[in-house]
Amino acid sequence: DAGVIQSPRHEVTEMGQEVTLRCKPISGHNSLFWYRQTMMRGLELLIYFNNNVPIDDSGMPEDRFSAKMPNASFSTLKIQPSEPRDSAVYFCASSQTRGPYEQYFGPGTRLTVT
Amino acid sequence: TQLLEQSPQFLSIQEGENLTVYCNSSSVFSSLQWYRQEPGEGPVLLVTVVTGGEVKKLKRLTFQFGDARKDSSLHITAAQPGDTGLYLCAGASGSNYKLTFGKGTLLTVNP
Repeated sequence: DAGVIQSPRHEVTEMGQEVTLRCKPISGHNSLFWYRQTMMRGLELLIYFNNNVPIDDSGMPEDRFSAKMPNASFSTLKIQPSEPRDSAVYFCASSQTRGPYEQYFGPGTRLTVT
Repeated sequence: TQLLEQSPQFLSIQEGENLTVYCNSSSVFSSLQWYRQEPGEGPVLLVTVVTGGEVKKLKRLTFQFGDARKDSSLHITAAQPGDTGLYLCAGASGSNYKLTFGKGTLLTVNP
């Protein structure tokens, strides 16, 4: 299995621009998670999906962030408009929907907003 | 809100030394996982413990789940530079799919 795939690996953009991060989960995994990691706050859960349906988006910082999962093999996280404080590494992870809910992470997208 | 406290936050040791890192909570977890994250990469699952008191070994790494399933420890014997990384613990509760992550222990093993 190729594991969780994320693109792009690095993104540098200017404040105010739209940013779209992409994720392909492991085939057969029903749950997908988007995280943000910074030195100050550690790994924060932004949103997660089960069977393509958003279950909990309470971690999404504000309305500038949105996420979709149109099918079982693809998800996007969009930031519009982006701000410098959004600079972080964004991870996608997937898991099966049965215990012990082990999550498998992608390599991450390092986002820099100038 | 469930919290997982990891200690120490930072640890710098010499090659060959032993070390233990801790993961503590006031909440009970149905399972607990340990991940290692290397610079520029995503966290990689090392082990999952499920039963209170369970001990699992992975080469030089020994993981223990507390009897009450509220805490866990990771012991590394004869650390090597390749063990360098951020060690994260994460707990699952009941049928909730999401994990609660600790902030991690950043380990540096100097040659």
